[in-house]
Amino acid sequence: AQKVTQAQTEISVVEKEDVTLDCVYETRDTTYYLFWYKQPPSGELVFLIRRNSFDEQNEISGRYSWNFQKSTSSFNFTITASQVVDSAVYFCALSPDGANNLFFGTGTRLTVIP
Amino acid sequence: GAVVSQHPSRVICKSGTSVKIECRSLDFQATTMFWYRQFPKQSLMLMATSNEGSKATYEQGVEKDKFLINHASLTLSTLTVTSAHPEDSSFYICSAPGLGSITDTQYFGPGTRLTVL
Repeated sequence: AQKVTQAQTEISVVEKEDVTLDCVYETRDTTYYLFWYKQPPSGELVFLIRRNSFDEQNEISGRYSWNFQKSTSSFNFTITASQVVDSAVYFCALSPDGANNLFFGTGTRLTVIP
Repeated sequence: GAVVSQHPSRVICKSGTSVKIECRSLDFQATTMFWYRQFPKQSLMLMATSNEGSKATYEQGVEKDKFLINHASLTLSTLTVTSAHPEDSSFYICSAPGLGSITDTQYFGPGTRLTVL
């Protein structure tokens, strides 16, 4: 069974602060993929990152960075110097190898206050 | 990048009527598409997998006769909510894997907000 847990339901930060969104997953598959998506108020899901289970290298993309730790089954997402435009719901998701469907966490609503 | 469209973006209907939602992959072919529903302030839940040329695969608890899925071509999947009721009001989102790779990135449509009165 697959499960993705995002324990933080809502987070509020002041603009320019750094914020980390937590994601913990459960799976019995040895090969799987992890994703982060952003859902702004418009509703459309925006792809942020995909990481396969064999690649534990952390990744940085501009103000975004991801910390994948297989030992703790976590795939945390950090936004540095947050901006108002970062306000959205962020979803962590898992896809078992060989399957295309995604198992989503419950999402974290991030509000960046100007 | 790959683009997935949905139509309509918003629909309001009376209880008892049927509503059809289209999902199209605009610049790539998709033998498989996925349908999700999202209740307000909740996560996305997979409803079914739409397969071109064969029957859809439904997740446990999803009524096949209520949510009819037809994958008419390699770029079009439709979801028909039959005899809609207020509890069917939700945000319906489709997705398709880009570039044809089974584990490639899922591209999501913009969603369809259904309101059943």
